[in-house]
Amino acid sequence: QKEVEQNSGPLSVPEGAIASLNCTYSDRGSQSFFWYRQYSGKSPELIMFIYSNGDKEDGRFTAQLNKASQYVSLLIRDSQPSDSATYLCAVKSGGSYIPTFGRGTSLIVHP
Amino acid sequence: DVKVTQSSRYLVKRTGEKVFLECVQDMDHENMFWYRQDPGLGLRLIYFSYDVKMKEKGDIPEGYSVSREKKERFSLILESASTNQTSMYLCASSGGRQVRSGANVLTFGAGSRLTVL
Repeated sequence: QKEVEQNSGPLSVPEGAIASLNCTYSDRGSQSFFWYRQYSGKSPELIMFIYSNGDKEDGRFTAQLNKASQYVSLLIRDSQPSDSATYLCAVKSGGSYIPTFGRGTSLIVHP
Repeated sequence: DVKVTQSSRYLVKRTGEKVFLECVQDMDHENMFWYRQDPGLGLRLIYFSYDVKMKEKGDIPEGYSVSREKKERFSLILESASTNQTSMYLCASSGGRQVRSGANVLTFGAGSRLTVL
């Protein structure tokens, strides 16, 4: 059974701080890693994906992947109240059609 | 931009009714998915399809069926709706399964919130 674990939160950070969201996965064959953001009442939307060990930056967002330790994280710099949402981690094995989703971490950025 | 369109945002049905949820994508994606999302349970895969007329069960297929007669359209059918099927239903599509490709990314529709009374 492939598992993707996330702390459900809520993670509460002040505006302007760095929010750190973590995700661990069980399948060592995982090769594709995704972070989605879901606002309350809306559907998930992609923030970024990462395939290689190390960091990948896109604006205020940085994804970090460590395959040896089987975790992937998302850092949000200069957090804004508009970043308040649930963040879903998804992991996919090579050659598979279907990603496995974590249950998500709720982030609250307070002014 | 890929668009995934779900036919109904909100539906209210009675127990025992047959329910159709329609999903259409406009980017020639091979793969289409139906999920349900409930508080505390996350996204659970009901069915997915990797080609026309091809379907595979997900984690919770009981009480559901699907139809994919055309590449762009994937329908979820509740043959006899029950109250425990009250949920948010999300359709998604993706272009492939290749590693290191943006084709892996799922694009979701806006969701269909179904209430069964």
